[in-house]
Amino acid sequence: QQQVKQSPQSLIVQKGGISIINCAYENTAFDYFPWYQQFPGKGPALLIAIRPDVSEKKEGRFTISFNKSAKQFSLHIMDSQPGDSATYFCAATPFSGTYKYIFGTGTRLKVLA
Amino acid sequence: EAQVTQNPRYLITVTGKKLTVTCSQNMNHEYMSWYRQDPGLGLRQIYYSMNVEVTDKGDVPEGYKVSRKEKRNFPLILESPSPNQTSLYFCASSDRPYGYTFGSGTRLTVV
Repeated sequence: QQQVKQSPQSLIVQKGGISIINCAYENTAFDYFPWYQQFPGKGPALLIAIRPDVSEKKEGRFTISFNKSAKQFSLHIMDSQPGDSATYFCAATPFSGTYKYIFGTGTRLKVLA
Repeated sequence: EAQVTQNPRYLITVTGKKLTVTCSQNMNHEYMSWYRQDPGLGLRQIYYSMNVEVTDKGDVPEGYKVSRKEKRNFPLILESPSPNQTSLYFCASSDRPYGYTFGSGTRLTVV
């Protein structure tokens, strides 16, 4: 019940295409869902996050879609660029402040020039 | 520059030899945490701290210790490292219950 399942494990997209990464969770106590981006040799960096009171959040080319009833959320990268090539992690945590993040297993994205 | 600094970046050690990985943040954050990253397993939380002298176990605390004597520092201690602790370790901090800032990582190899 503590897991966050992430797919796909790896993804190859052409430049200009749409990258879609999916996550699913079981624990209904989770109410904060961030996405982190990690470049090789670097620590993860917060990219975008959503709370379940909205179904979608957009920041530039990055959009989170959230389906509370299905307990699923996804990251969409529009107009994918080679500079977006990185590993992406979804995560979930109860917003009430336990600081116990549960991360997905990661998706390695490669955007071809 | 606001940052989380970990040292060392790379460490090779032998089984059973105590080691400490240091973590320091200059953002006056209350919340700090340690994660390990392993292929296919993602990031798993080892320990976290909500303030000075307040720490709690994450999901994989076995074989690790932490301390939080000062707000800025949160060292990770391996009293008797074993090969299954070979991993990439990240320290992170935050001033709120979300949005961690991560360090650049420590790659530990235990032989």
